[in-house]
Amino acid sequence: EPEVTQTPSHQVTQMGQEVILRCVPISNHLYFYWYRQILGQKVEFLVSFYNNEISEKSEIFDDQFSVERPDGSNFTLKIRSTKLEDSAMYFCASSARSGGTEAFFGQGTRLTVV
Amino acid sequence: AQTVTQSQPEMSVQEAETVTLSCTYDTSESDYYLFWYKQPPSRQMILVIRQEAYKQQNATENRFSVNFQKAAKSFSLKISDSQLGDAAMYFCAYRSLGAQKLVFGQGTRLTINP
Repeated sequence: EPEVTQTPSHQVTQMGQEVILRCVPISNHLYFYWYRQILGQKVEFLVSFYNNEISEKSEIFDDQFSVERPDGSNFTLKIRSTKLEDSAMYFCASSARSGGTEAFFGQGTRLTVV
Repeated sequence: AQTVTQSQPEMSVQEAETVTLSCTYDTSESDYYLFWYKQPPSRQMILVIRQEAYKQQNATENRFSVNFQKAAKSFSLKISDSQLGDAAMYFCAYRSLGAQKLVFGQGTRLTINP
C-alpha cells in the first residue's frame, strides 16, 4: 500500500541552525501539506502546496519557514534559524485532490531544538 | 474561523465493549467535511472515517460509526466491540469545502482495558 515517508524520524538541532525536513508523498498525489504538533497540543496546519506553489498557509508559517518540491518526488520543509519553540512533531501529508478526499499522513519527524 | 472541540482528554473502555468519543465544532458554513483520525503510538495519523456535511446518513466503517448532528454541530465517533488495537489518540477534524487544511481538535486518548 502506498504511503507517505518522512525522514529523519528524529532530528536534534541547535538553536539558530537551519533544518530541512524531508517527505516523499504518495506518487500520484497532487496536494502536499505540513502540519505541526507541539507535545501535548493539537495538530496545527502549517502550509499546503499545489502546482509548485503555496496554496494556503497559516499564521504560524512565517518567513522562518519555506517549502519546496525540488524534484518530482520530494517535498521539503525548511526552518531557518530554529528556535526552542519550534520543537515539535512535524507531519507531512498528501492527497490526490482537494476537498473531502483523504489526506494520507507520514509517520512524522520529531524535531528537538536545544 | 472554524474550531473543533473534543471535551474528553481521556477515555477508557473494556475490550469488546462500545465507546463513544465526542466532538463538537463551530462553523458558519453549510457544506464541509468531518473526519476522525487515529494516532497510535507509532505516531502516524490514520483516517478512520469521513462524513460529508450534505449527507444526512451517518457514515459507517466496520466497527466504527458516527453520529452526525448538523444542527447541533456535533460529530461523535462510536467504536463497537473495542479491540486492544483500537488504543490510540483520536482526533476529530474539520475541512471547509473549498479549503485544503484540516482543523483538528485537541484529541482524546483512548485506552482499552483487557
